[in-house]
Amino acid sequence: EVQLVQSGAEVKKPGESLNISCKASGYSFTTHWIGWVRQMPGKGLEWMGIIYPDDSDTRDSPSFRGHVTISVDKSISTAYLQWGSLKASDTAMYYCARHGIHLGELVTHWGQGTLVTVSS
Amino acid sequence: QSVLTQPPSASGTPGQRVTISCSGSSSNIGSNYVYWYQQFPGTAPKLLIYRNNQRPSGVPDRFSGSKSGTSASLAISGLRSEDEADYYCAAWNGRHVVFGGGTKVTVL
Repeated sequence: EVQLVQSGAEVKKPGESLNISCKASGYSFTTHWIGWVRQMPGKGLEWMGIIYPDDSDTRDSPSFRGHVTISVDKSISTAYLQWGSLKASDTAMYYCARHGIHLGELVTHWGQGTLVTVSS
Repeated sequence: QSVLTQPPSASGTPGQRVTISCSGSSSNIGSNYVYWYQQFPGTAPKLLIYRNNQRPSGVPDRFSGSKSGTSASLAISGLRSEDEADYYCAAWNGRHVVFGGGTKVTVL
C-alpha cells in the first residue's frame, strides 16, 4: 500500500526558513515523480512542482519558482519542500503528491497535508 | 484565475445526474490526459478519474470522465449525499501541471 506521511504542522515568523518532509513507502520511491501541492485557506489546489528521485530532475510551476526548493533523500525515501524566507502569504496546507512513473501521469496518491502558518 | 476553467458550483437532488465541465486549451487538455480529484472539507484530495476516463479501484462506477478537444467533463450519475464535496480537474500544461479552480457539488 502506498503511504505518504508528512511532517507535522508548523508555526513560523516572516523571514524564517522552513523545511517540511514527506516519507514515502509501499512503492519504488526512485521511479515515481513526487512533489507538492498548495492549498491556501478556503481556496483551490495549486501545483508547485515535482522531482524524479532517481536523478533529481525537476519540473516546477512558474508561480513558485525561486521561492521554494523541492528535494529528495533517496536513502530514506523522503521528499522535502524548503523555504529560505517565509512570507505571510505562504500560510497554507501543503500536500505531498506522488505522480506516476511517466511525466504525463499526474497525482495518484496524496499525503495527509502539513499546515504551515506564517505570522508575526 | 485558473488556467483550467470549472464552474464554481453544481447541485442536484439524490439520484440525479450532475456534470462538471473543465475547459482548457490545446496546451493542456488538448494534448494531455485529464485527471479528476474529489476533496471533502478538512481532508486530502483523492484521485477519482485518471487518463481522461479511467477509474481507480474502489471508485464507484457512478463517476465517469470524458474528454473532447480542449474540454473535459466529470459526470456523477445516481447522485448520493456522500458525493457532496469539491471536485478538481487537472492536466499538464507544457512543463508544469495546472488545476481547475474547483467545483463544489451540493446535494439538495
